[in-house]
Amino acid sequence: EVQLLESGGGLVQPGGSLRLSCAASGFTFDNFAMRWVRQPPGKGLQCVSSINENGGATYYADSVKGRFTISRDNSKNTLYLQMDSLRADDTAVYYCTKGYSTYHSDWGQGILVTVSS
Amino acid sequence: DIQMTQSPSSVSASVGDRVTITCRASQGINNFLAWYQQKPGKGPKILIYTASTLRSGVPSRFSGSGFGTDFTLTISSLQPEDFATYYCQQGHSFPFTFGQGTKLEIK
Repeated sequence: EVQLLESGGGLVQPGGSLRLSCAASGFTFDNFAMRWVRQPPGKGLQCVSSINENGGATYYADSVKGRFTISRDNSKNTLYLQMDSLRADDTAVYYCTKGYSTYHSDWGQGILVTVSS
Repeated sequence: DIQMTQSPSSVSASVGDRVTITCRASQGINNFLAWYQQKPGKGPKILIYTASTLRSGVPSRFSGSGFGTDFTLTISSLQPEDFATYYCQQGHSFPFTFGQGTKLEIK
């Protein structure tokens, strides 16, 4: 069974930083692209970042480009999202997802990031 | 970016009803479309991909169709566990955008 467990969220002041982690199990981690999708409270879904199987190719939404960095450690079956220069509009539940082609085949339970003073 | 527009934004229905949700892309996406179901406090779950392929384990009352710009998700006979929010997502080109969601509520 695929399991994706996010951690590292919480309350941070505007301009601050957080690093999210996603521990993956139940599948061969280095065979799949991985992504981060966020959902602001009461709103819809946005894919903010994606990374290919070996970490050699990454994608960022325009709204986070230059501030967020996605990475992975295939030896630890773990996905990361380093979030710097956080703004109030980054407040959201962040989901780790397992890629299947250009879709999201499995999702974690989500972790809340709140940016507020 | 490709814009995905769902309709309706919300719908009320009863157990046993047939419900159809539509999703329109701002440009052609062939059949690169997925549908997800999200229940409160949970991460979404994929139901259908490549417009009409049912994910293993998803009940056969769910079906999808469409090509190009217009797509539909149909639930043939609503069950109590189907009341949730549904999202479409295009997988044709980055960024892989989602529709705004359709909330399916009990009448």
